Amino acid sequence: DIQMTQSPSTLSASVGDRVTITCRASQSISGWLAWYQQKPGKAPKLLIYKASSLESGVPSRFSGSESGTEFTLTISSLQPDDFASYYCQQYNSYPETFGQGTKVEIK
Amino acid sequence: EVQLVESGGGLVQPGGSLRLSCVASGFTFSNYGMNWVRQAPGKGLEWVANIKYDGREKYYVASVKGRITISRDNAKNSLYLHMNSLRAEDTAVYYCARDRVPMSRSPFDYWGPGTLVTVSS
Repeated sequence: DIQMTQSPSTLSASVGDRVTITCRASQSISGWLAWYQQKPGKAPKLLIYKASSLESGVPSRFSGSESGTEFTLTISSLQPDDFASYYCQQYNSYPETFGQGTKVEIK
Repeated sequence: EVQLVESGGGLVQPGGSLRLSCVASGFTFSNYGMNWVRQAPGKGLEWVANIKYDGREKYYVASVKGRITISRDNAKNSLYLHMNSLRAEDTAVYYCARDRVPMSRSPFDYWGPGTLVTVSS
């Protein structure tokens, strides 16, 4: 199985900050990586797919990048609506696996 | 508007059985692969199972193989999760989620609100 190691587990930041979350795959996933945002009591929402493609309707302050087996989600200027948990997911092969999650908290 | 609505969750004793349902609307259900994803209380997301658009291929996470079966009825726009020999560690909110792209590697673009399964005596 492919392991997804996500960091940090918690991140404290202020409105307007640039925020970066990292996910590392245990082997090549050929860019088949997605990022989701989840708010308490709600279902996850797809933000980014294929490592760097922005899902329709998602604000452009969200972006994704890839370098080998390391993937990054960047929020360019954190907004109040962005305080939530974020998960990466590899969908290169079964079983599909998620990272452990990153909770973005208000500093 | 795409909608997915799960039902069938509840309290069940260890070793018991439960069938979850997910009714889809707003899209051609028979064209899309579907998934179940679960989240234990206070924990992260865990993919559980996938079924391809025609029901011919199914995939499972190792921890549920032999105990849990995914199925679908395209005539009823419905997805199911048949759960047997339930354990305390199966306690979670179960979400159904749609593959974003038919017949290809795909993340999940639509999710239901989830249904809670609690396994406890």
